[in-house]
Amino acid sequence: GQNIDQPTEMTATEGAIVQINCTYQTSGFNGLFWYQQHAGEAPTFLSYNVLDGLEEKGRFSSFLSRSKGYSYLLLKELQMKDSASYLCAVMTTDSWGKLQFGAGTQVVVTP
Amino acid sequence: DGGITQSPKYLFRKEGQNVTLSCEQNLNHDAMYWYRQDPGQGLRLIYYSQIVNDFQKGDIAEGYSVSREKKESFPLTVTSAQKNPTAFYLCASSSPGQTIGYTFGSGTRLTVV
Repeated sequence: GQNIDQPTEMTATEGAIVQINCTYQTSGFNGLFWYQQHAGEAPTFLSYNVLDGLEEKGRFSSFLSRSKGYSYLLLKELQMKDSASYLCAVMTTDSWGKLQFGAGTQVVVTP
Repeated sequence: DGGITQSPKYLFRKEGQNVTLSCEQNLNHDAMYWYRQDPGQGLRLIYYSQIVNDFQKGDIAEGYSVSREKKESFPLTVTSAQKNPTAFYLCASSSPGQTIGYTFGSGTRLTVV
């Protein structure tokens, strides 16, 4: 199976930057996903990385290093609405699209 | 619009009763999944199905059952054998090569009373 680790909680101020790290141990890596989940709601897709490097999408960026089994999600210019849980999920080549999720990182944005 | 629909949004069950959660998708996705989420925790896989009339157990299948008689539908039954069923249940679907991973339903919150 896979081990996917991410911090439990992070707190940051409105307008600041927060970086959420995710480390994983897996065989047959086939992509890493980040989702945002507000309390009581379904997760929504944020980003997908399968090759090393940085993917930028507006205020959100995601980075992947396959050799290190490491990814991060960078949230810039934090807004109050960014307070949510952020889930890291890994797909493997033998899983036929099945994702393994980390426990999620709760981000709290303060005024 | 294509999407995935879960119903009901809130469900209350008495101890000892079976209850079925509905999940329907019109995205023509082959694969469907059921996850359970407990407060402050990540998603844990209950069952998944890659094609009609076939499904496999996930990490926490005990006390649950599913069927996949139609491509569009993947209902989950929470049986009385599930000792701690109070949780948030998420259904998802996907197709091979889809770079957004899953499309999720809006979830069902099940509470045992």
